[in-house]
Amino acid sequence: GENVEQHPSTLSVQEGDSAVIKCTYSDSASNYFPWYKQELGKRPQLIIDIRSNVGEKKDQRIAVTLNKTAKHFSLHITETQPEDSAVYFCAASETGANNLFFGTGTRLTVIP
Amino acid sequence: NAGVTQTPKFRVLKTGQSMTLLCAQDMNHEYMYWYRQDPGMGLRLIHYSVGEGTTAKGEVPDGYNVSRLKKQNFLLGLESAAPSQTSVYFCASSYLTSGLSEQYFGPGTRLTVT
Repeated sequence: GENVEQHPSTLSVQEGDSAVIKCTYSDSASNYFPWYKQELGKRPQLIIDIRSNVGEKKDQRIAVTLNKTAKHFSLHITETQPEDSAVYFCAASETGANNLFFGTGTRLTVIP
Repeated sequence: NAGVTQTPKFRVLKTGQSMTLLCAQDMNHEYMYWYRQDPGMGLRLIHYSVGEGTTAKGEVPDGYNVSRLKKQNFLLGLESAAPSQTSVYFCASSYLTSGLSEQYFGPGTRLTVT
């Protein structure tokens, strides 16, 4: 089955700096890569996703890049704000499959 | 529109006891999922359903059973709880299968087995 690894496990940045979270996956059949944000005590919520026919996708301060050859994808958050503090999960799946494989999460702390 | 709801929010069980977690969604989604979240492990799929009356095993199904008698409800059962089942349980639903539509998560159930 798919194995998704996520780094780092914790990340602290100063407000206004950028944050980068990286994930690798093992199954070359995976072609859908969502990112979820989970605030303390809350449910995971989708913030951005990318499919393998696209190398990069941006949504305001958030961007995701995908390198299908190397089997890794990354989340980039620019101009970080305190409300960006949360745990971020990457995931991988093959379109049409029913199993979404999650990474182990990155706890991002933005220091005001 | 409540989205995905879960009951109960918290529960403490003794080893060997049984319980059922209820997930309900009002978005007319076909697909429903049960995950468990453990520290340092991320979310892992227990069971899922691709429609009313269907269920299938996920990544970590042992010790759990599920039923989907109505489209809007997905029940997760623990027949004989074990301390290893202490976890936060999340239900999710989606209109289409993975990769074709977003999975919406419920608020979670924190279960402690002593």
